[in-house]
Amino acid sequence: EAGVTQFPSHSVIEKGQTVTLRCDPISGHDNLYWYRRVMGKEIKFLLHFVKESKQDESGMPNNRFLAERTGGTYSTLKVQPAELEDSGVYFCASSQLALAKLFFGSGTQLSVL
Amino acid sequence: GENVEQHPSTLSVQEGDSAVIKCTYSDSASNYFPWYKQELGKRPQLIIDIRSNVGEKKDQRIAVTLNKTAKHFSLHITETQPEDSAVYFCAASWSSNDYKLSFGAGTTVTVRA
Repeated sequence: EAGVTQFPSHSVIEKGQTVTLRCDPISGHDNLYWYRRVMGKEIKFLLHFVKESKQDESGMPNNRFLAERTGGTYSTLKVQPAELEDSGVYFCASSQLALAKLFFGSGTQLSVL
Repeated sequence: GENVEQHPSTLSVQEGDSAVIKCTYSDSASNYFPWYKQELGKRPQLIIDIRSNVGEKKDQRIAVTLNKTAKHFSLHITETQPEDSAVYFCAASWSSNDYKLSFGAGTTVTVRA
């Protein structure tokens, strides 16, 4: 089966610019998660979608981050305006059930200069 | 929320020796503990998991042990091989939202040939 795909794999932007990350989960997976790893630290939870609904967005750092999942398929995570501390690897993961095996994408390496 | 500490941050072992990674967690109500392996340039993949009603689980050369009283769990890799070189992440579920995982900071394992 096709895995979770993320685009782009790398993004380098300047402070103040906008970046949109995309995640295509495994087909049929209702649960979609965004996580972030900053500076070699732990992978931190950002938010969780069940189909098109935000189940939990308690991990979102601030209102510069906006996640959407229109139609319950792919998801986007927009950062506007980007700040230096937003740099890191953004992972998307999906699962069929709420606490079943998580399948991760390869991540988007975001660098804000 | 759940706080997961992982040690060591780096581990170098001779091929054929064993590797042990230890994690502690803070929320005594956590009940799901997966381990992920991320090879260089690839996505994190689940390699083994354990639930709180089990003390130990083994899958070929890898095993995980859980001590609920002490709130720690460990990954054991025996007869290490070069392909075991990777970053390993432990994780623990949040008690009230067991779909949400808190990850450790990762252990970079290098197996020397």
